[in-house]
Amino acid sequence: GNSVTQMEGPVTLSEEAFLTINCTYTATGYPSLFWYVQYPGEGLQLLLKATKADDKGSNKGFEATYRKETTSFHLEKGSVQVSDSAVYFCALRGTGNTPLVFGKGTRLSVIA
Amino acid sequence: DTEVTQTPKHLVMGMTNKKSLKCEQHMGHRAMYWYKQKAKKPPELMFVYSYEKLSINESVPSRFSPECPNSSLLNLHLHALQPEDSALYLCASSQAPTENYGYTFGSGTRLTVV
Repeated sequence: GNSVTQMEGPVTLSEEAFLTINCTYTATGYPSLFWYVQYPGEGLQLLLKATKADDKGSNKGFEATYRKETTSFHLEKGSVQVSDSAVYFCALRGTGNTPLVFGKGTRLSVIA
Repeated sequence: DTEVTQTPKHLVMGMTNKKSLKCEQHMGHRAMYWYKQKAKKPPELMFVYSYEKLSINESVPSRFSPECPNSSLLNLHLHALQPEDSALYLCASSQAPTENYGYTFGSGTRLTVV
């Protein structure tokens, strides 16, 4: 079945550091890929998405590129801020009427 | 309106109580979802409604009963819950039950069963 594996946290960075959160997936066909962010005490917000190979999703300085050859969708940001502290979930939606599948989440803490 | 609204935000209920969680969206989305999220875990899918019909039930105990009265509303009726059912319950919607669309999530109802 479809699955998502993302790096275990927590990840602690200083402000303005470079961020990478690794995400790889297993799926048949051509899934769509997503990154969601969950701030403390809140629901999930869609951060970015990519629906086909080589697509790059981007939002709020975050980027991720859909790499079919390595089945990856790594999240990156060039300079993190304290306000980026949250839990980040990589997710996949397979072909047809299949629901969203989440990775286990990566907690990011950014310190000033 | 680009939001999914969930009420109440917090709920404390006893094991013999009956309560309901409510979810509303006015984006014209035709698929709606209930998820359960325990602390420090990813959301777990409970139910999927597609065009107001239940299409997926992930073997959820019958003490959870979903209802979709119309295309904008989704309810989750709760009865005889256990303390281990305490969690954040998230509602989500999407444009269509196909792969290109992400989900829009509500802020959740934090449920405590005592």
